[in-house]
Amino acid sequence: DAKTTQPPSMDCAEGRAANLPCNHSTISGNEYVYWYRQIHSQGPQYIIHGLKNNETNEMASLIITEDRKSSTLILPHATLRDTAVYYCIVRVGSAAGNKLTFGGGTRVLVKP
Amino acid sequence: DVKVTQSSRYLVKRTGEKVFLECVQDMDHENMFWYRQDPGLGLRLIYFSYDVKMKEKGDIPEGYSVSREKKERFSLILESASTNQTSMYLCASTSPGTDVPGQYFGPGTRLTVT
Repeated sequence: DAKTTQPPSMDCAEGRAANLPCNHSTISGNEYVYWYRQIHSQGPQYIIHGLKNNETNEMASLIITEDRKSSTLILPHATLRDTAVYYCIVRVGSAAGNKLTFGGGTRVLVKP
Repeated sequence: DVKVTQSSRYLVKRTGEKVFLECVQDMDHENMFWYRQDPGLGLRLIYFSYDVKMKEKGDIPEGYSVSREKKERFSLILESASTNQTSMYLCASTSPGTDVPGQYFGPGTRLTVT
């Protein structure tokens, strides 16, 4: 899996959009960008994934640059419950045995 | 709503005890995983299974075994618990493929071995 680089921490105001960057300059053509988050003392939670096109679901939006070397996860209206560590991963889908490896992630603190 | 459940959120066991951790998913997923998560070490894969009665070792299988008799259930067994197995244990499931959602995790079991 390609390596990713994320800022270690960021603060966000409640109700505002949170934009979380991720660099993955060595991404391969068949690797997807996945985002997970982990709220303290809970299991990781899958958020969203994409290959080339921007994606949106009920939780977030994912913006991938045209050269695919970086991406941004957008939480449109951050709430206090969005306080968590967010992990960006690039990998080839979910093949059997394709274990998940988290890097350091970005610790997001949503403030009132 | 997708769901992965684990039998206990918190568990305290004594050294030498046999420990069973159960995981059930209701998404008809083929692949299931057991990880442990420790501070500074991240997620480490213990075992995974890609079908009923099939299992494969992950990175740290020593001291553990698994059982998958039904598609929805994947059990982790600590044959003889030791203090270095004190950890957060996470079960996950997913469908195989490339353009598929990521692994869905259970809430975790925090196991303490005394």
